[in-house]
Amino acid sequence: GENVGLHLPTLSVQEGDNSIINCAYSNSASDYFIWYKQESGKGPQFIIDIRSNMDKRQGQRVTVLLNKTVKHLSLQIAATQPGDSAVYFCAENISPFRGSEKLVFGKGTKLTVNP
Amino acid sequence: DSGVTQTPKHLITATGQRVTLRCSPRSGDLSVYWYQQSLDQGLQFLIQYYNGEERAKGNILERFSAQQFPDLHSELNLSSLELGDSALYFCASSVGYRVGNTGELFFGEGSRLTVL
Repeated sequence: GENVGLHLPTLSVQEGDNSIINCAYSNSASDYFIWYKQESGKGPQFIIDIRSNMDKRQGQRVTVLLNKTVKHLSLQIAATQPGDSAVYFCAENISPFRGSEKLVFGKGTKLTVNP
Repeated sequence: DSGVTQTPKHLITATGQRVTLRCSPRSGDLSVYWYQQSLDQGLQFLIQYYNGEERAKGNILERFSAQQFPDLHSELNLSSLELGDSALYFCASSVGYRVGNTGELFFGEGSRLTVL
């Protein structure tokens, strides 16, 4: 496989533990946020999203928390499994001008799950 | 499998050359996005097309250009290549043109460009 982002923040957890991956976003006007997972040699894959009118959203084994006051996003993974090992990106939806949007990705965090 | 197809998967070329990367979106998706992923810059948004028209522009160099054809496939053209252009280039697609409405982007597996 390929290693992307060799200079990424890393998080190493034991299988079965909970993982928390953090992200600071840049634009206070961003109204929509997404977490993506990128496994080695593959493209990013959608995990969960949240709109700015929410503080928390839960999915299957994942929870996203949004703190607009400090422009912080986190992804919590419950009972982390070896298959969760990947690089995780947060992305914010920015509207540079009316009618235009772009999804801007953070640098990513590499999660390693130890058996 | 996301349904997004990118070719070629790997490409090695020399500085000064020109290459074309191709993307076929998921069936039914009208928007195509191009992203560049390098080790030190992460995923950088380059450009978006919706139903054949440019919709949004990111940090795309003037040496780079893209287009979306009537059959909705897209091509990213990279010219006067430099060593620093070596990266993974991802294409993604979505149904609509507003990420905030449609949510999910479906990414292809990328084209790895190496410029020697």
